[in-house]
Order: sequence, then C-alpha cells, then structure tokens
Amino acid sequence: TQLLEQSPQFLSIQEGENLTVYCNSSSVFSSLQWYRQEPGEGPVLLVTVVTGGEVKKLKRLTFQFGDARKDSSLHITAAQPGDTGLYLCAADGDSNYQLIWGAGTKLIIKP
Amino acid sequence: NAGVTQTPKFQVLKTGQSMTLQCAQDMNHEYMSWYRQDPGMGLRLIHYSVGAGITDQGEVPNGYNVSRSTTEDFPLRLLSAAPSQTSVYFCASSRGGSGNTIYFGEGSWLTVV
Repeated sequence: TQLLEQSPQFLSIQEGENLTVYCNSSSVFSSLQWYRQEPGEGPVLLVTVVTGGEVKKLKRLTFQFGDARKDSSLHITAAQPGDTGLYLCAADGDSNYQLIWGAGTKLIIKP
Repeated sequence: NAGVTQTPKFQVLKTGQSMTLQCAQDMNHEYMSWYRQDPGMGLRLIHYSVGAGITDQGEVPNGYNVSRSTTEDFPLRLLSAAPSQTSVYFCASSRGGSGNTIYFGEGSWLTVV
C-alpha cells in the first residue's frame, strides 16, 4: 500500500518566521502536487513537480521534489497570516486516476 | 467562472434516510470524482468517473452510488445514511489523470444523527 506521510501534522508560528513541511513516502512517484485548503473551502492547487530534484518557487513558497522522487518539501519564507491553512500533498497512485493523499499539515500563522 | 458547484452546502440527515449530493462542472472535464474528508485522514476517494457513462469505485465506496449521464453532472447518492457517513464531501474535476490540476467544489457538510 502506498502512503504519503506529512509532517508536522500541526504547526503554529509567528508572522515573519520561516518553516518547512514535509511529504514523505517509500514509493516512487512520477508526479507530486501540493494543495492549500482554507477553512470552509476546497483544496486549491499550488504546484505540480515531476522531475527528481526539481525546485519550484511561488512567491515566498519554495517546493522541492526529492532526487529519488519519493518525497517533497514546502518551505515558506517570512510566513504571513494569509499563509494559514491546511497544506496537502498528493501523488499518483497505482491507477492513473487515483491519487494518494497525505493527511495534511495544518498551519497557523499568528500576527 | 463557476468551476465546480456542489449542493447542498449543509445537510442534516437521520439514520436510514437517503439523499443526493449534486455536483456540476462547466469546464468540460472528462474526469470527475467524489472525496470525503475526515479529521486527520486527508481526502479519501469514494467514486470516480473518466467520462459520461463510466464510473468506478475508489477507496471507500460502500454506502454510496454514483452515475454519470452527462459530462457536466456527477451526483453522489447516499443509500441509507449512517452516522459513520458524517463528513465533509468534496466533488472534483480535472482534464485527466495524475499530474493534472484537480478543481474542487466548496464542499458539502453532512451530519447523520
């Protein structure tokens, strides 16, 4: 069974701090996605990574796909209250149409 | 742009009742799916469809039925509601399989008492 483990499960920090959250697996994936979900809404795609070692930046967010394509990280620089939300990673499963989802990291940025 | 539209937003059911969660998308996406989201468990796939007339089971299909008569609509039916089906339900659509952007609806909060 393929699993995606996200850590930490919960993170509460002050505005302006940096943070990193992780998405790990023992399986190799052809692609991995990060989504952010705000309270009362559905998840929204942030990025898709497909190449081992790939780094993508989205303003203050930096995403990296592991060299072996088994894990990924999301680094936020100078976090802001608007970054608050549930961050989910998802990767291709056994079927082309069934993604594997991590349980998420709940991030709270305090002003 | 409407995107993915789900109704109702909130629903309270009694055990044993049936109901249908409606989902429609206006992006002409072939792939549609239903997920449930429970605390600490992430998103779990209930059923999915790769096109009109084609549906398949996901990870947690028991107690739910779906149909896909048109590209736009993908309703989820709860046959006989149970308290274990209390959850938040999300409908989603995408152009294709893995690697494609998945667009989610705003969610339907269902409580079964």
